[in-house]
Amino acid sequence: DTAVSQTPKYLVTQMGNDKSIKCEQNLGHDTMYWYKQDSKKFLKIMFSYNNKELIINETVPNRFSPKSPDKAHLNLHINSLELGDSAVYFCASSQVGAGNTEAFFGQGTRLTVV
Amino acid sequence: QQPVQSPQAVILREGEDAVINCSSSKALYSVHWYRQKHGEAPVFLMILLKGGEQKGHDKISASFNEKKQQSSLYLTASQLSYSGTYFCGANSGNTPLVFGKGTRLSVIA
Repeated sequence: DTAVSQTPKYLVTQMGNDKSIKCEQNLGHDTMYWYKQDSKKFLKIMFSYNNKELIINETVPNRFSPKSPDKAHLNLHINSLELGDSAVYFCASSQVGAGNTEAFFGQGTRLTVV
Repeated sequence: QQPVQSPQAVILREGEDAVINCSSSKALYSVHWYRQKHGEAPVFLMILLKGGEQKGHDKISASFNEKKQQSSLYLTASQLSYSGTYFCGANSGNTPLVFGKGTRLSVIA
C-alpha cells in the first residue's frame, strides 16, 4: 500500500488553464503539506493543513488554493496557470507535536505550463 | 523560518568523509534529514528530537545540539550511492516541517 499517493505524476497544460493535483495519505497523520520544488531544487513549503485547519500559508499567490475534504486528503487547485508555476509539486504528511514522525512524501507531480 | 544549510555543494571521492550542517534561528523541537536523488521524492534518513541525541545507521550519523540550535549530518567512507541532495527539515513543537535549501553532494570514483 502506498503511504502518500498523489496524482497525476505528470501534468502539461497551457497558460491560463485551471488544474488540480490530488493527494491522499493512509498513515493516519494529522498534518499534510504541499511543497514546490523549482529548477534550483529548493523545497519550498506552500501550505500545511493540521486537522483540516490551514496553519501555514507562505507567500504564494492566491491562485493556489488547498482543499482538504478530510484528514486523509489535501488537494491543490491552481487557477489561471502561469509559466512560472512550472515545477515539481510534492505532497507529504507527518505527525507533529507529541509523537513527532518523519514526513512521508508522495511521488511528486511535474507540472509544465506551456 | 527556514533552516540554513552549509555547504551548498560538496564533491567527494569514494571513501572520503563529509559533514553537512543545519542551523536555525528558532528553538527547535526536532530536526529531520532527507536525501533526494534526481527525479525522485525525498527519502527519510533520520529524525533527531529535542534532548541532544545522536543517531546513526550504517555510515551515516547525525547530531543535534539544541542549545546551539544546530544539527550536523556525518557521512563517513562515502559511497557512490550517497550522491544526491540532502535536506534538513526542522520544526518547533507543533509547527510544520520547513526545509533548508539543500546541500548537493556528488561522490565520484
